[in-house]
Amino acid sequence: TQLLEQSPQFLSIQEGENLTVYCNSSSVFSSLQWYRQEPGEGPVLLVTVVTGGEVKKLKRLTFQFGDARKDSSLHITAAQPGDTGLYLCAGALGTGANNLFFGTGTRLTVIP
Amino acid sequence: DAGITQSPRHKVTETGTPVTLRCHQTENHRYMYWYRQDPGHGLRLIHYSYGVKDTDKGEVSDGYSVSRSKTEDFLLTLESATSSQTSVYFCATGTGGQPQHFGDGTRLSIL
Repeated sequence: TQLLEQSPQFLSIQEGENLTVYCNSSSVFSSLQWYRQEPGEGPVLLVTVVTGGEVKKLKRLTFQFGDARKDSSLHITAAQPGDTGLYLCAGALGTGANNLFFGTGTRLTVIP
Repeated sequence: DAGITQSPRHKVTETGTPVTLRCHQTENHRYMYWYRQDPGHGLRLIHYSYGVKDTDKGEVSDGYSVSRSKTEDFLLTLESATSSQTSVYFCATGTGGQPQHFGDGTRLSIL
């Protein structure tokens, strides 16, 4: 059983559309991270959120941490082919490497 | 570019053979990590290091050992490889307790 569930698992959309992907858990996290991973490469850290209700923006990407710190969402506005990749969330139950758990990811394809 | 080099990038070997994967960093980060990535499981921590000769186990450490004799190098060893260890292995580094930068991975196939 995964500690973090990501949905949807797969998403294919047209360029210019908006989308939201979700990261859910029944556990409370001290922080939550989002990564993007492209084929043949390692994950790249996009953002870390630490406060319940926190919203962070990175150009066309908006990240939100749930008020109860159990879930998070990533919204992409006007998706572009360069947004294609595997989006991973990772939640920290506390400090230390042993307390960081990854979801299985959402694989996004943006069609030109 | 976080200055992480993993070697080899691809390896095919047979069950029962020893295998060592190398991670080299140029950023002088204190923490280094080894993860494996498998379909349906996401990234799972194998071992990590918080300094030279200081290492600790992760979630899936059975069958693996690590060594860190220099700040820049972190080795992962499979003493006797099994087919269940077929995976993509990622090294990561960080300045705090969680990974910030990942290498590009080693694809390991054990036949």
